[in-house]
Amino acid sequence: AQKITQTQPGMFVQEKEAVTLDCTYDTSDQSYGLFWYKQPSSGEMIFLIYQGSYDEQNATEGRYSLNFQKARKSANLVISASQLGDSAMYFCAVFTYGGSNYKLTFGKGTLLTVNP
Amino acid sequence: DVKVTQSSRYLVKRTGEKVFLECVQDMDHENMFWYRQDPGLGLRLIYFSYDVKMKEKGDIPEGYSVSREKKERFSLILESASTNQTSMYLCASSSGGYGNQPQHFGDGTRLSIL
Repeated sequence: AQKITQTQPGMFVQEKEAVTLDCTYDTSDQSYGLFWYKQPSSGEMIFLIYQGSYDEQNATEGRYSLNFQKARKSANLVISASQLGDSAMYFCAVFTYGGSNYKLTFGKGTLLTVNP
Repeated sequence: DVKVTQSSRYLVKRTGEKVFLECVQDMDHENMFWYRQDPGLGLRLIYFSYDVKMKEKGDIPEGYSVSREKKERFSLILESASTNQTSMYLCASSSGGYGNQPQHFGDGTRLSIL
């Protein structure tokens, strides 16, 4: 079974600074995918970024980048130039391929607060 | 933009009632999912569906059932609601393939069972 660990229940960052949110995962599958989602206080889950296990380059999407270290089973999210609107809950999730039974397993999340 | 619509944002029901949570997506996605979200536990998968009339159990299916009669609609049913089913319920959909497509979520339904 897959397991996702987000060790930081809460993080604080000053506006305009960069912040790294940690995520480690445990899967025996060779093929898998990693997602990061953002959940503001309003409740909707917003897809941020995806990294495939065979992707050689770290994924980037605007101010979001993924620091993927496959050997360490680590997929940290880096947010550059934090904005007040980045304050939200952030979830890391791992997807594994496996016949007809695939699923996304989520970590417990990190609450990010951006201070002005 | 993908739109996933959940029928209610807030819902209050009584113990023992049969409860229906509806979810509709407008992007012709093959895959649909139901999660519940509880503080400190993250999101946990209840059921998912790859196609019309197909369903698979997730991690916590007990006390729930689902129905997918049309591709765009995926319903979650609480057969006999209990107080431990008070939670936030999230529906999601994704296109087919090997799962590298992101899941798109609805706004969630906060369900309270009294």
